[in-house]
Amino acid sequence: AQSVAQPEDQVNVAEGNPLTVKCTYSVSGNPYLFWYVQYPNRGLQFLLKYITGDNLVKGSYGFEAEFNKSQTSFHLKKPSALVSDSALYFCAVRAGTGANNLFFGTGTRLTVIP
Amino acid sequence: GAGVSQSPRYKVAKRGQDVALRCDPISGHVSLFWYQQALGQGPEFLTYFQNEAQLDKSGLPSDRFFAERPEGSVSTLKIQRTQQEDSAVYLCASSLGAGTTLNEQFFGPGTRLTVL
Repeated sequence: AQSVAQPEDQVNVAEGNPLTVKCTYSVSGNPYLFWYVQYPNRGLQFLLKYITGDNLVKGSYGFEAEFNKSQTSFHLKKPSALVSDSALYFCAVRAGTGANNLFFGTGTRLTVIP
Repeated sequence: GAGVSQSPRYKVAKRGQDVALRCDPISGHVSLFWYQQALGQGPEFLTYFQNEAQLDKSGLPSDRFFAERPEGSVSTLKIQRTQQEDSAVYLCASSLGAGTTLNEQFFGPGTRLTVL
């Protein structure tokens, strides 16, 4: 069975400070990991994905994520937060070949304080 | 270019009514997914189409839920005899390749269904 955990419902960070949104996963087979962001009244927007290769993945809007196999984590990071980064962030996983859909975490609301 | 569009954006139904939710995927996208997002939760998978074929409907919560994509483009999610627990945002997503490829999914804005 596959699962994704986002242990923090809410993360607050001051503008200009680095941010981290945490995600851990459990999946049988190779994990394929994704981050999406959801702004109010808008659909989920793709940020980045890890398939294979370099453990540090760079994505849209200056975000990056680090895949850590031993800790089964895929934390989202950004060196300097912007107020416009305030949104709901979802980590998702797809399990191996033959799987089609994404399995999402419950989301983390990021608030960047000016 | 145009993204994934969904209509209506909001739907209010009385308990017991049937509803139909429409999804227009990105042109040329092979794969189409439906997800249900309850308040305060992440999206949960409902069903998957590869072109016109419904290859996975394991997430449909009951036989009141039915989805189709007859010509491999537009899809409709139908809910019969709606119940209050059906209240949620229904998200549609499409991706370029077949489902087992690892293309990212592009999501529509969703349809917020409220069942009174």
